[in-house]
Amino acid sequence: LAKTTQPISMDSYEGQEVNITCSHNNIATNDYITWYQQFPSQGPRFIIQGYKTKVTNEVASLFIPADRKSSTLSLPRVSLSDTAVYYCLVGPPMNRDDKIIFGKGTRLHILP
Amino acid sequence: KAGVTQTPRYLIKTRGQQVTLSCSPISGHRSVSWYQQTPGQGLQFLFEYFSETQRNKGNFPGRFSGRQFSNSRSEMNVSTLELGDSALYLCASSPGTRNEKLFFGSGTQLSVL
Repeated sequence: LAKTTQPISMDSYEGQEVNITCSHNNIATNDYITWYQQFPSQGPRFIIQGYKTKVTNEVASLFIPADRKSSTLSLPRVSLSDTAVYYCLVGPPMNRDDKIIFGKGTRLHILP
Repeated sequence: KAGVTQTPRYLIKTRGQQVTLSCSPISGHRSVSWYQQTPGQGLQFLFEYFSETQRNKGNFPGRFSGRQFSNSRSEMNVSTLELGDSALYLCASSPGTRNEKLFFGSGTQLSVL
C-alpha cells in the first residue's frame, strides 16, 4: 500500500477554507484516495473518495493532479465542529494482498 | 440502517487477564477489520475477516486473535494482557469488494491496570 505523508497539524479560523495536502509518491494504478475524519474517542468517518481530477460532495472537495502523487482535501467555510484529525488513505481499502495502513493524520484545529 | 456496533464501550482489566471484544457490522457487510489506536502509534491495522476467513493480518503478536461468524459478526481476543495493550480498539465493516469505504464503530476503550 502506498505510504502517505500529511502535515501533523494545522490551525485555521471559522469561515475560512482549509486545504490539507497528502503526498503519496508511490501510488499504484489501481489505488483510490480516501479521506476520513475522526473526532476524539470515536471511529473515523468517511468524507470523500476519488481516483483522479476533482470530486465534490456536500461536505468537501478532493483535488487530484494528473500524476496522482498527491491529493488535497478542501473543506469550505470551516466551523469549530470541523476540529478533528483527518486521515488520507491510499489503495483499495480491501486489497487482498496489502494491509490497511493509516498514516498519522492531520490534526486540524479551528479557532473562533 | 443501523451502524457498526461495538461492545463493550469501556473495559478495565488487569495484566495477565484476557479480553474479548465484539463487533456487529452493518447488515449485508461481509468484511470486518480491526484496528488498535493509541496516542503514540496512531491507527494500526490488526486483521481483516471476510466470510469467516482471515484474509489479512497486521504486525501484532499472536496474543491478538479474532474470528468471524456466519452472520458476519466478529470478535477479537487479547490474551495475557499487557499494560501496553491499553488502547481504543476499533472495528470497521464494508461490503467486501474493492475500493468501498469503511464504516467504523465507536470503539472499545480498553484500560489495562
